[in-house]
Amino acid sequence: EAQVTQNPRYLITVTGKKLTVTCSQNMNHEYMSWYRQDPGLGLRQIYYSMNVEVTDKGDVPEGYKVSRKEKRNFPLILESPSPNQTSLYFCASSLAGVPDTQYFGPGTRLTVL
Amino acid sequence: GESVGLHLPTLSVQEGDNSIINCAYSNSASDYFIWYKQESGKGPQFIIDIRSNMDKRQGQRVTVLLNKTVKHLSLQIAATQPGDSAVYFCAENRDNYGQNFVFGPGTRLSVLP
Repeated sequence: EAQVTQNPRYLITVTGKKLTVTCSQNMNHEYMSWYRQDPGLGLRQIYYSMNVEVTDKGDVPEGYKVSRKEKRNFPLILESPSPNQTSLYFCASSLAGVPDTQYFGPGTRLTVL
Repeated sequence: GESVGLHLPTLSVQEGDNSIINCAYSNSASDYFIWYKQESGKGPQFIIDIRSNMDKRQGQRVTVLLNKTVKHLSLQIAATQPGDSAVYFCAENRDNYGQNFVFGPGTRLSVLP
């Protein structure tokens, strides 16, 4: 089954404690992205990657890091989480240049105290 | 499941009626647009797309209209069904079918029996 998986699905943490949210896709997609979703603001792109070792900033990259060492994985790293990073996070993937093949993961609810 | 947002514009329609959801976009240079559906507890799901060289595109029960003069998109759903209840987002692509998307805030569609 084609899917994008995210782990963990729910996380409560404290300010400053480094965390990683993993994202993995099984469709051999070149493109992967991370979004955050906040009430009234819709989805905002954090980072995206168009292939292995190629990453670019989206609209709200501050406070986040990503890496793309393998095609299937695109982890989101928060080196020093702060309360304003409390949000619902989505990972997505698609074939290169074919946005209508985009799949989203189920979301990760992060709370930073 | 995950909540999408508490303060979204809401459209309520009777089952069987047609729905029209509107979206304004910001960048006159954007050349590709997507409508997404997000059900409660799930990630967004692709519905239909349109390129800037088109004014209208039809899918199964859905039609997207693009008015580039006023930077406006609309999604029309024919014979709305209970399963159409969800939050709908438009997204504009800013890098020629790449991965850089900007999403609208979303509209919640509520289908009344």
